[in-house]
Amino acid sequence: SQQGEEDPQALSIQEGENATMNCSYKTSINNLQWYRQNSGRGLVHLILIRSNEREKHSGRLRVTLDTSKKSSSLLITASRAADTASYFCATDDSNYQLIWGAGTKLIIKP
Amino acid sequence: KAGVTQTPRYLIKTRGQQVTLSCSPISGHRSVSWYQQTPGQGLQFLFEYFSETQRNKGNFPGRFSGRQFSNSRSEMNVSTLELGDSALYLCASTSGQGAYGYTFGSGTRLTVV
Repeated sequence: SQQGEEDPQALSIQEGENATMNCSYKTSINNLQWYRQNSGRGLVHLILIRSNEREKHSGRLRVTLDTSKKSSSLLITASRAADTASYFCATDDSNYQLIWGAGTKLIIKP
Repeated sequence: KAGVTQTPRYLIKTRGQQVTLSCSPISGHRSVSWYQQTPGQGLQFLFEYFSETQRNKGNFPGRFSGRQFSNSRSEMNVSTLELGDSALYLCASTSGQGAYGYTFGSGTRLTVV
């Protein structure tokens, strides 16, 4: 079963603009992770934020976590064509499994 | 270091047949998980193994099974294939509790005809 929702389902922006994706989840978590997937290939781990953290940065990525609202957001700044992919959030409840959102399909237009 | 290796990359099988997929984790990673990805259901957890023991299992029928060997390599088996088993099967490995995220293989795309 899926943990929650991601929105938007699809996002199309111009190269150089910022992209923001949101994720909501239902149960208590140990951490929340974001992954990227290109054209139905394997998933690439982007960033992990623990339940006691509120914000984390990695390069052009910024993730926030609001455990009171059970939501997270992923911001990609200064987007590039290579950022075109599907982005998934996944929650880890310490039960040795990840529970996934439905994903956001991001298209960067040149 | 080498990533997670899944074989084969593509597979076409007939309904009723069985299939075995293989996953070699990153060296030193003792936890291996399997996920099924379909357009309709998204990403769903199948099972997780650590040191040859299954620690958790998702909500899939008994036709889906797995195992892990002493070198941490893992296999999953699907018996009596159905058309609905057509999917991308992804394997992931991590050290310990996955506190630093998971590394995924490129997947095996299974088509059942």
